[in-house]
Amino acid sequence: DAKTTQPPSMDCAEGRAANLPCNHSTISGNEYVYWYRQIHSQGPQYIIHGLKNNETNEMASLIITEDRKSSTLILPHATLRDTAVYYCIVRDDYKLSFGAGTTVTVRA
Amino acid sequence: EAQVTQNPRYLITVTGKKLTVTCSQNMNHEYMSWYRQDPGLGLRQIYYSMNVEVTDKGDVPEGYKVSRKEKRNFPLILESPSPNQTSLYFCASSLLGTETKAFFGQGTRLTVV
Repeated sequence: DAKTTQPPSMDCAEGRAANLPCNHSTISGNEYVYWYRQIHSQGPQYIIHGLKNNETNEMASLIITEDRKSSTLILPHATLRDTAVYYCIVRDDYKLSFGAGTTVTVRA
Repeated sequence: EAQVTQNPRYLITVTGKKLTVTCSQNMNHEYMSWYRQDPGLGLRQIYYSMNVEVTDKGDVPEGYKVSRKEKRNFPLILESPSPNQTSLYFCASSLLGTETKAFFGQGTRLTVV
């Protein structure tokens, strides 16, 4: 019973912004939205998280809709090294439940 | 440097030969967990620990054991490995709390023949 829905794949041009959508229509008030990515077969890497406000860090921006039913991860200037599987996770306890994620391919 | 270290990175073993995959973190994290990753099934949690001497089953615990005698270490034990435990394994650690980020190890690729 996945809590999030993501497109299976998307392409992005190098140097352009990559916008990764995630639907989480059943999210409850105290659940955070987390994003991780996995490059090839390396360990997943934390990107960003948020509750209701938009968040930005050195890696990405997270835009959460006002009703909190969906969010968008923005990689502002995608590089070839951003090619990875990106996971959107709604977290209600310590456990991270990974879905299939979105495979993002950045093309030169 | 904050990190989670797993060893070995690669292991080929035979059915029934006990093995241990070690995991160590240097961030004084209370929460540690093990995941396995298989094609088409994604990352699934095997076991987790919320502190020393406190461990519990995740989603796929069958065939695995863990221990947490020290805060920094969380070894994964396969008492009698079978071919269906061939997988990519990840250890993770984090502070307790819902607004904490998890750190993952580099992974251990295990093949059981």
